[in-house]
Amino acid sequence: GAGVSQSPRYKVAKRGQDVALRCDPISGHVSLFWYQQALGQGPEFLTYFQNEAQLDKSGLPSDRFFAERPEGSVSTLKIQRTQQEDSAVYLCASSLQGAVGYTFGSGTRLTVV
Amino acid sequence: GQQLNQSPQSMFIQEGEDVSMNCTSSSIFNTWLWYKQDPGEGPVLLIALYKAGELTSNGRLTAQFGITRKDSFLNISASIPSDVGIYFCAGPWAGTALIFGKGTTLSVSS
Repeated sequence: GAGVSQSPRYKVAKRGQDVALRCDPISGHVSLFWYQQALGQGPEFLTYFQNEAQLDKSGLPSDRFFAERPEGSVSTLKIQRTQQEDSAVYLCASSLQGAVGYTFGSGTRLTVV
Repeated sequence: GQQLNQSPQSMFIQEGEDVSMNCTSSSIFNTWLWYKQDPGEGPVLLIALYKAGELTSNGRLTAQFGITRKDSFLNISASIPSDVGIYFCAGPWAGTALIFGKGTTLSVSS
């Protein structure tokens, strides 16, 4: 597609519920990133894929967070047993391999109640 | 951990005024990026800087890569209402991940 597409745009989850956030990167973009943006803060790195390989997951805050990109295109970020502190905007970005300035999607705003 | 410090935190200006903001780091960066984020949207890349001392323009926007490689500056000339938003500096950290500042929120009154 023309841009990075994320769904859903908004998600309200009850504490303890599992959620799955989807990212459709720009066609042909090898690199895919997930970022978490808390209110009033800049985005913070979560994880990075090159094709289907997850090369860096050092930013995932806990083992409740899991990301996958099984066919090297669409990616899913899954959060198990959501907590209130997980409330944030989750941004996906993609880029050509090695490019530093990547393209972000509009994000998924997750609210845990 | 590593932080990028942006200042000012917020700015309230009149349409037509020029704007300056900066970003500093305790560590050296080899690339500086400036992004703008509108409400409900993801950040959009405005300018990328790759060399110390580099001065790069994009329309009314001009950014500079500080010669110490620990800072960068963004200037907006003749501001217009659509310049409203949050401006973030960012740099690559530990490979391909980007580290972002906390942003400068710009408000423009007409």
